[in-house]
Amino acid sequence: EDKVVQSPLSLVVHEGDTVTLNCSYEVTNFRSLLWYKQEKKAPTFLFMLTSSGIEKKSGRLSSILDKKELFSILNITATQTGDSAVYLCAVEATYRAGSYQLTFGKGTKLSVIP
Amino acid sequence: GAVVSQHPSRVICKSGTSVKIECRSLDFQATTMFWYRQFPKQSLMLMATSNEGSKATYEQGVEKDKFLINHASLTLSTLTVTSAHPEDSSFYICSARDPGGGQGNTGELFFGEGSRLTVL
Repeated sequence: EDKVVQSPLSLVVHEGDTVTLNCSYEVTNFRSLLWYKQEKKAPTFLFMLTSSGIEKKSGRLSSILDKKELFSILNITATQTGDSAVYLCAVEATYRAGSYQLTFGKGTKLSVIP
Repeated sequence: GAVVSQHPSRVICKSGTSVKIECRSLDFQATTMFWYRQFPKQSLMLMATSNEGSKATYEQGVEKDKFLINHASLTLSTLTVTSAHPEDSSFYICSARDPGGGQGNTGELFFGEGSRLTVL
C-alpha cells in the first residue's frame, strides 16, 4: 500500500522565520511528488518534482526531491502571515498504463504569527 | 492557466436522496480526473480515478454503487452520491490533469474548488 508521511503535523512560527516541511514516501511505480497549499478551499499547486536533486524555486518557496531516500522537503524563507495554510504532499504512481494514482499525506498545518 | 470548475460548491439534501456533483475542465481535455473526499482537518482521500470512456477505478473501501462516477466526455466527470446519509456529509474535490502543462508528459494537476455536501 502506498504511503506518504508528512512532518511535522503542525508548526507555529513568527514572521520572518524560515521553515522546512518534510515528506517521506513509500510507493510502487513512483511517477512524481507534488506539493500543494490548501487554505480554505481546494489545494493550489506549488511544485511537481520528478528528478532527484533538482531544486525547484518559486519566490520564497523551494523544494527538492531525494529519490534514493524517498524524501522531499519544502522550504519557505522569510515567512509571512499569508503563508499560513496546510501544506500537502502527494505522490503520484503509475497504476497501470496511462492511469495514475495520487496518495496524499496528512498535511502540515503552518501558522505564521506576526 | 488551466481551470477546473466544480459545481455545486455547496449542497444540502435530505437523507435518502441522490446528489450529483460535476467537474469540468474548462480549457483543456482531461482523459483522467480524480475524485477526493476530505473530512474536517484531514487530508484528501482519493476515492476514485475517473477515466474517459471507461469505468472508474475505485479505491479500496469506496462503494462503487454508492458513489457513481461517469466520465462521459473529455471535459466532464460527474460524481453521484446515491441514497445519501448523514455520514456522507463531507467536502468532495475533483482534480484533472492538463496534459499540455508541466514537465514533459506528466502535466500539471488542477483542482476544482470543491463541493461541500451536507446530508440532513
